[in-house]
Amino acid sequence: NAGVTQTPKFRILKIGQSMTLQCTQDMNHNYMYWYRQDPGMGLKLIYYSVGAGITDKGEVPNGYNVSRSTTEDFPLRLELAAPSQTSVYFCATHAGTGTYEQYFGPGTRLTVT
Amino acid sequence: AQKVTQAQTEISVVEKEDVTLDCVYETRDTTYYLFWYKQPPSGELVFLIRRNSFDEQNEISGRYSWNFQKSTSSFNFTITASQVVDSAVYFCALPESPDKLIFGTGTRLQVFP
Repeated sequence: NAGVTQTPKFRILKIGQSMTLQCTQDMNHNYMYWYRQDPGMGLKLIYYSVGAGITDKGEVPNGYNVSRSTTEDFPLRLELAAPSQTSVYFCATHAGTGTYEQYFGPGTRLTVT
Repeated sequence: AQKVTQAQTEISVVEKEDVTLDCVYETRDTTYYLFWYKQPPSGELVFLIRRNSFDEQNEISGRYSWNFQKSTSSFNFTITASQVVDSAVYFCALPESPDKLIFGTGTRLQVFP
């Protein structure tokens, strides 16, 4: 099992460009999450999903969109990239059994210049 | 409201020293879980431990041990005989809801040879 995979690993965007960060899990978990981690900081929740077709905002959703058409995939869309979106983005999943430990992907390092 | 405080921003030790990372939390729940995650320099987030608030016994795993005290709302993490490979950022986390975790700001541990 690959667990949680994210692509790309690194990306440089120009201001105003758009892109989609991909996240795929093979753990058959219902819950999936997108976090951002700014330099020297903790994790902030952007969006999350409790199952296919269901998404909800986290702490910092502005400037992002998500969709969840399948259990496996949870892409994060950045529209009109801004320098403030320079960060490392982590996708995570958990089984939703009430035990709550989350399993993280390797992260995508995004720079907006 | 749920809150996790890791007051130690950065700790530096020399190899073989013992080191304790502090985590203090606030929760409205009577039963809850607490977590520790490790983020090594390579960047991925690794789940270390989950503890249930019912169980206040210390947990030991090799050189790692955790001290959970409900009376002081603390869940501290001790590394005995630290090694260079322990150098990482360590995050404490607490569920904000059945669907979401909140993370502390992390403690950066540097172990020098």
